[in-house]
Amino acid sequence: KNEVEQSPQNLTAQEGEFITINCSYSVGISALHWLQQHPGGGIVSLFMLSSGKKKHGRLIATINIQEKHSSLHITASHPRDSAVYICAVHYGNRDDKIIFGKGTRLHILP
Amino acid sequence: NAGVTQTPKFRVLKTGQSMTLLCAQDMNHEYMYWYRQDPGMGLRLIHYSVGEGTTAKGEVPDGYNVSRLKKQNFLLGLESAAPSQTSVYFCASSYSAGAAFFGQGTRLTVV
Repeated sequence: KNEVEQSPQNLTAQEGEFITINCSYSVGISALHWLQQHPGGGIVSLFMLSSGKKKHGRLIATINIQEKHSSLHITASHPRDSAVYICAVHYGNRDDKIIFGKGTRLHILP
Repeated sequence: NAGVTQTPKFRVLKTGQSMTLLCAQDMNHEYMYWYRQDPGMGLRLIHYSVGEGTTAKGEVPDGYNVSRLKKQNFLLGLESAAPSQTSVYFCASSYSAGAAFFGQGTRLTVV
């Protein structure tokens, strides 16, 4: 069982829709990352969270430490948002490793 | 102002050949990581380092070795390449639990 579970695995939506991608993890973490990978392959870090909520443009990321859950929201989605969105958690206690979810493939139709 | 740089970007190897992938970061990060990304598997940690001179195994370390002789460089070696090591390799660096910065990836094919 992957320690980091993302849902949905695939998501197709119409331009303008509000998008939510979820991430759940199994043990306590020191930080959670949301990453974006475009078809060209490069990976970009969108957010790093340890509590609360962060917003950048049309992107919002939230984390609930007690429930071990994070969400990434995209408002007013656009075809250029089409990418794979990856949740990654940083276990800072014993291992200092970053473990990744398998990603959510988002396709926004014009 | 390069961030994280991986070299080479593409490589084709024959089974049994060896090679070294270089990851360089100019952000004075303590932590560096090597991942491989395969279809349907997501990113998986091969090895990582929490400081100069230290390395540790990740989820899929077999067939790979690493070295961190200088803080800014993290090398990933394949001593005897196998077709199962065909993958896209990503290097990343971070301050402890800070934001992770990724290289652009190395596409390796072993034939």
